[in-house]
Amino acid sequence: AQSVSQHNHHVILSEAASLELGCNYSYGGTVNLFWYVQYPGQHLQLLLKYFSGDPLVKGIKGFEAEFIKSKFSFNLRKPSVQWSDTAEYFCAVNDGGATNKLIFGTGTLLAVQP
Amino acid sequence: NAGVTQTPKFQVLKTGQSMTLQCAQDMNHNSMYWYRQDPGMGLRLIYYSASEGTTDKGEVPNGYNVSRLNKREFSLRLESAAPSQTSVYFCASSEGTGGYSNQPQHFGDGTRLSIL
Repeated sequence: AQSVSQHNHHVILSEAASLELGCNYSYGGTVNLFWYVQYPGQHLQLLLKYFSGDPLVKGIKGFEAEFIKSKFSFNLRKPSVQWSDTAEYFCAVNDGGATNKLIFGTGTLLAVQP
Repeated sequence: NAGVTQTPKFQVLKTGQSMTLQCAQDMNHNSMYWYRQDPGMGLRLIYYSASEGTTDKGEVPNGYNVSRLNKREFSLRLESAAPSQTSVYFCASSEGTGGYSNQPQHFGDGTRLSIL
């Protein structure tokens, strides 16, 4: 069965620090990869997605992610975080099957201190 | 454009009571999903509907039933609520159906459900 691992459960950074959140998945076939963000009290919103082409994907709000197929990884990065980036971040994989089901990681709670 | 609308936003139930969570989307999406979100466990798929007229179990279907009423609406029912079902429930929809899809899912605001 597919799975998604986010090893950083809780990250605390100061404003302007760089961010990298890890995401690894277990699936040998073709996948679509997503990062979602959930701001406090809100629903999940799509940050970025990868399905083919350039493995470096740019998303909204200055976030980017790099797909490394050999490492089964899709890490999220941002060069300089802001207090407003405080949120929970979820990595998800879609196996491209008939139902477009997503498998989510357990999430990483990011707290940015002003 | 409302996107995905869930009702109610909050609900408190007693053990054994039943209730239905409603979800509607106005994006003409084929696929709809119900998830539950619990601390430290991410989102887990309860049921999904790949297209109008079909429903299938997800990862944690026990204690739940669903109805895909029409293309817009997908409801989740708890027949006999248990404290273990205390959670935040999210409905989502996506364009993708049938075959390889890279379409993202769009989420509603969630229903916070407490069962005493």
